[in-house]
Amino acid sequence: NAGVTQTPKFQVLKTGQSMTLQCAQDMNHNSMYWYRQDPGMGLRLIYYSASEGTTDKGEVPNGYNVSRLNKREFSLRLESAAPSQTSVYFCASSEIPTDEQFFGPGTRLTVL
Amino acid sequence: QKEVEQNSGPLSVPEGAIASLNCTYSDRVSQSFFWYRQYSGKSPELIMSIYSNGDKEDGRFTAQLNKASQYVSLLIRDSQPSDSATYLCAAPYRGSTLGRLYFGRGTQLTVWP
Repeated sequence: NAGVTQTPKFQVLKTGQSMTLQCAQDMNHNSMYWYRQDPGMGLRLIYYSASEGTTDKGEVPNGYNVSRLNKREFSLRLESAAPSQTSVYFCASSEIPTDEQFFGPGTRLTVL
Repeated sequence: QKEVEQNSGPLSVPEGAIASLNCTYSDRVSQSFFWYRQYSGKSPELIMSIYSNGDKEDGRFTAQLNKASQYVSLLIRDSQPSDSATYLCAAPYRGSTLGRLYFGRGTQLTVWP
């Protein structure tokens, strides 16, 4: 059981470039989430997906898009990266009714 | 009041002492609470869940929920240097069936030998 996996682990982009962060879980969870974490700001929810085929905005969705490809996979896309998107990105998954969320190892993204 | 607030810390305790981490919450959260541990450069790791009033013990960790006072705490007994990390408190949105959690900003704990 790998839990939640994320790729890549590190990425450096130039302003304006695009990229997709990949996330997959093997716990058969319905809900998946994308967070960013910045020093002093805590975890902030970008987008989430309560079930396959549905996605909703979180606190800080601007500049991002997501795709819930199937029950296992939830990707986050930056269409035109900006320095303000330099952050650590975490994917998580959970199952109702416990609401316990389990996190992937994270992607450290730097936008120059 | 923010939905979930943690005492800002940082907290520093000697090895072998009891570390007490606190979290207060508003009426906007549901009555389940989670404690996550996050080592520097790593992802949050769920270490305790508590769903009912009172204490829940797991090894050296005890979570305490006091609904009347709207606070939840995490006690770490016999603290070890390996417990040095940031501890995050989290709770679900009240009324939500989508699993969204409010996270506190975290309390940084240092256990010195």
